[in-house]
Amino acid sequence: KAGVTQTPRYLIKTRGQQVTLSCSPISGHRSVSWYQQTPGQGLQFLFEYFSETQRNKGNFPGRFSGRQFSNSRSEMNVSTLELGDSALYLCASSRDSFDEQFFGPGTRLTVL
Amino acid sequence: GQSLEQPSEVTAVEGAIVQINCTYQTSGFYGLSWYQQHDGGAPTFLSYNGLDGLEETGRFSSFLSRSDSYGYLLLQELQMKDSASYFCAAKAAGNKLTFGGGTRVLVKP
Repeated sequence: KAGVTQTPRYLIKTRGQQVTLSCSPISGHRSVSWYQQTPGQGLQFLFEYFSETQRNKGNFPGRFSGRQFSNSRSEMNVSTLELGDSALYLCASSRDSFDEQFFGPGTRLTVL
Repeated sequence: GQSLEQPSEVTAVEGAIVQINCTYQTSGFYGLSWYQQHDGGAPTFLSYNGLDGLEETGRFSSFLSRSDSYGYLLLQELQMKDSASYFCAAKAAGNKLTFGGGTRVLVKP
């Protein structure tokens, strides 16, 4: 079974730009969660989607948004990028909300 | 709010035993998971405790005490490849999952 895939793996943007990250979950998994990981803050939950609906949202500003498609693939978008948005963005899929989560390799975003 | 506390770093030698504690304050608590993350890698699931007691999976064991809002991950017969960060994560009502700050385990020869 193929694992969780994320694209792109690396991204460099400048302040003020926007970015879209993509995540393809394991086949059969309907829940997709997104996390931001930084050295100082650890793993911070962004949001979770289940069957195209956002079930849960973390404490991030509205610049961070996401969506899920009918094939369970998910995208997250960050608008008006700030330097502090530089981080590893991880996507995880599971059969149901927060069951054993399978993480993708992440997208490392650098904002200059 | 929800919070989990775990030590930031632990150092031990090969063959030793390491216990990583995790205390949590979580309303509507369901259970505690543990994840391992090697440098440059993605977190991988180790175990889940939904009930009090000890769960053993090979060299790794995880324990939960709901009455104490406390759990731990026990790493036995440490190997160099166990050098990684370990995260506890609390699953709670309302489909919430909160991660602790992570414990960096350094195994020395």
